[in-house]
Amino acid sequence: AQSVTQLGSHVSVSEGALVLLRCNYSSSVPPYLFWYVQYPNQGLQLLLKYTTGATLVKGINGFEAEFKKSETSFHLTKPSAHMSDAAEYFCAVEGGTSYGKLTFGQGTILTVHP
Amino acid sequence: SAVISQKPSRDICQRGTSLTIQCQVDSQVTMMFWYRQQPGQSLTLIATANQGSEATYESGFVIDKFPISRPNLTFSTLTVSNMSPEDSSIYLCSALSPSRDRGRLGYEQYFGPGTRLTVT
Repeated sequence: AQSVTQLGSHVSVSEGALVLLRCNYSSSVPPYLFWYVQYPNQGLQLLLKYTTGATLVKGINGFEAEFKKSETSFHLTKPSAHMSDAAEYFCAVEGGTSYGKLTFGQGTILTVHP
Repeated sequence: SAVISQKPSRDICQRGTSLTIQCQVDSQVTMMFWYRQQPGQSLTLIATANQGSEATYESGFVIDKFPISRPNLTFSTLTVSNMSPEDSSIYLCSALSPSRDRGRLGYEQYFGPGTRLTVT
């Protein structure tokens, strides 16, 4: 079984500031890890994913995340926040025989102030 | 990639009634899933919609309450039966579609826009 914990249900940053959204996971097998973004009244959009290989993963819209096995973390970062980044972000894990089945964290709402 | 549409986009239903949600993918996909997002909460997997056979339900979800059909590789339905206010949620359909990641064949999971259900 796997689980995901996102630290902080709400994160607020100023435009141009660093964005850091935290995600820790537990999995009994090497995980696949994902970050999704959900804009108001829209479906989920994949930002980035880690499957194998390089632990620093770059995604869309300037986001990146680093898989740290020793810390069981997959934190999402963006060097400079933009107003359009305001949305809800979900970290998810897929592991083992759970082919395609995602376990999601509780989500983090990102607010960007001018 | 895969583009997923859902019908209806939203509905308000009375308790005790049933609603069927349709999910259409613009290409053939191997696997389709149904998730629920209750108000203020994260997404929870309801079931895997299997083509040509019964759906596989996750713990806490049963076929009598959430019957699912998948008649072909591009279409699935989820019915929410005998609804109560606790069923008020967003229901999302997702599908796995092949993709290439740094030259390797893998897959990517795409989500529909969701169906916002309110039960009164």
